Amino acid sequence: DARVTQTPRHKVTEMGQEVTMRCQPILGHNTVFWYRQTMMQGLELLAYFRNRAPLDDSGMPKDRFSAEMPDATLATLKIQPSEPRDSAVYFCASGLGLGASGYNEQFFGPGTRLTVL
Amino acid sequence: QKEVEQDPGPLSVPEGAIVSLNCTYSNSAFQYFMWYRQYSRKGPELLMYTYSSGNKEDGRFTAQVDKSSKYISLFIRDSQPSDSATYLCGGTSYDKVIFGPGTSLSVIP
Repeated sequence: DARVTQTPRHKVTEMGQEVTMRCQPILGHNTVFWYRQTMMQGLELLAYFRNRAPLDDSGMPKDRFSAEMPDATLATLKIQPSEPRDSAVYFCASGLGLGASGYNEQFFGPGTRLTVL
Repeated sequence: QKEVEQDPGPLSVPEGAIVSLNCTYSNSAFQYFMWYRQYSRKGPELLMYTYSSGNKEDGRFTAQVDKSSKYISLFIRDSQPSDSATYLCGGTSYDKVIFGPGTSLSVIP
């Protein structure tokens, strides 16, 4: 049963600390997305990659957030320094992207629940 | 103004009721429209998607898109307690899905 995995599932940290979230996409998926979900803003796209290359990170605060794909099996999202307003659930999703056959489903991981004190 | 607007609810209905969930969007370039369902403390899961305007039916669920009015709807017939979740509508711009904030639905037995 192929699934997107995310670690850690929960993270509590203090303001100013670095936070690293990891995602293992489904094997064979070439597109990886990072989302942030809050009650106020809903589900927001932060960044996404195709074939490990960043295609769009316009939703991400550039001064403190960074996203990378060191290899096809790992995507990372870092926040440095973290702030209380970063408290949210961060989801990773993977899929095959928009192809000749049309829309391809994004499969979401279970999320990382981040609390910044 | 957000690209996709959705009434957050919460919406509470009795079991067996017909549920209508609605969204509006502003981006005329959207081609595909989808509904994701999210159970509490879980990631969203695709429920169904449609291409351009029209209807699509899958069991008790019907998705409807009217591009002329930029309106997206999801109808749930014979609603069940297991349908209690948050429903997210969205539209695609290339690979990106722009989601609405979600509508929380409770189906009461």
